[in-house]
Amino acid sequence: GENVEQHPSTLSVQEGDSAVIKCTYSDSASNYFPWYKQELGKRPQLIIDIRSNVGEKKDQRIAVTLNKTAKHFSLHITETQPEDSAVYFCAASTTSGTYKYIFGTGTRLKVLA
Amino acid sequence: KAGVTQTPRYLIKTRGQQVTLSCSPISGHRSVSWYQQTPGQGLQFLFEYFSETQRNKGNFPGRFSGRQFSNSRSEMNVSTLELGDSALYLCASSLETGFGYEQYFGPGTRLTVT
Repeated sequence: GENVEQHPSTLSVQEGDSAVIKCTYSDSASNYFPWYKQELGKRPQLIIDIRSNVGEKKDQRIAVTLNKTAKHFSLHITETQPEDSAVYFCAASTTSGTYKYIFGTGTRLKVLA
Repeated sequence: KAGVTQTPRYLIKTRGQQVTLSCSPISGHRSVSWYQQTPGQGLQFLFEYFSETQRNKGNFPGRFSGRQFSNSRSEMNVSTLELGDSALYLCASSLETGFGYEQYFGPGTRLTVT
């Protein structure tokens, strides 16, 4: 069945360094890939997304890249700050036929001051 | 616009009981999805409703059911509760567009089964 693998499960970086989180999906029909940030005790918040007709998207310190051939997409956070500390989830969804998201298992990012 | 709301926020039940959780989507959103979040399993898809119809269902037993009303509000029900049903239940709403769609999550209902 459909699956999204996310790595690493935990990531610690020094403040100011970059962080990269990688996801691989299995359903070739997937065409929408959002990233969510979940702070402790709060709801997941959409931080950036990318659609399958685009290879890269950037929003200030956050960027996402997509490699459709490899079924691989990544989140890049530059100049990390302590407030970036949270759990990050990737997801893949398809709007053809079935309408659901498959989430990765999450990456706990800790930014050390 | 007001965000997605869920009630109740916290619930404690005993094994064998049933529970109903409610979700009100963002005004104008017609799609509501439900997820179970546990520390070990992440976010697991339960089901999705659009215009009162269940369009897709995840791999959960029949004890988990849901419905959507004409105003897009949705409820999910869990019957014969088990200890393993303890989790944060999140709903998310979306405005269906033609190519990908953004989901917005509610704050969740934390269910504890004792």
